[in-house]
Amino acid sequence: EAGVAQSPRYKIIEKRQSVAFWCNPISGHATLYWYQQILGQGPKLLIQFQNNGVVDDSQLPKDRFSAERLKGVDSTLKIQPAKLEDSAVYLCASSALGGPGNTIYFGEGSWLTVV
Amino acid sequence: KQEVTQIPAALSVPEGENLVLNCSFTDSAIYNLQWFRQDPGKGLTSLLLIQSSQREQTSGRLNASLDKSSGRSTLYIAASQPGDSATYLCAVTNTGGFKTIFGAGTRLFVKA
Repeated sequence: EAGVAQSPRYKIIEKRQSVAFWCNPISGHATLYWYQQILGQGPKLLIQFQNNGVVDDSQLPKDRFSAERLKGVDSTLKIQPAKLEDSAVYLCASSALGGPGNTIYFGEGSWLTVV
Repeated sequence: KQEVTQIPAALSVPEGENLVLNCSFTDSAIYNLQWFRQDPGKGLTSLLLIQSSQREQTSGRLNASLDKSSGRSTLYIAASQPGDSATYLCAVTNTGGFKTIFGAGTRLFVKA
């Protein structure tokens, strides 16, 4: 079974530029998550989708971050304009809500450095 | 608002030692609790998942317990090995909305 795919793995941009990250969840998984993990901290949920609807985006900085999940499959997270404090790993994850215990499966992450 | 705390933040032990990692949470209305492992530069790998109705789960040398009433979980690692060196994170999923909140993790180093 293929895991959660993310791209790009690494990105360096200047502040005020824009960046987009892509995620393809495990096939059949209804729930998709985007987490932000700053070095030394635990992941912080940015947005959670159930199929193509948003379940929770309370911690998404909506003035600069946006995310979409078209057709309830893959998803894109965009940052525009980027700030220095956005330097972090952006983790995509998926789970089959209603499946075996709602185990969450993570991708390898997209590492963003804003200079 | 659910808060998840992990103690200690870092731990160094000699190979072969048994050890316990702690996780506490403030809201007992949880759907489940998961323990994850994160290696440097990698994503998170699920180790054990405990449903709210369960008391413990075991996988190989790992045993996780859950005491919902006191808001605590422990991850017990038996006969630690250098390959166990990683960051261990716990995460709770709340009932209603299934929002999953992570602790900051415990960084474990097992010395050969």
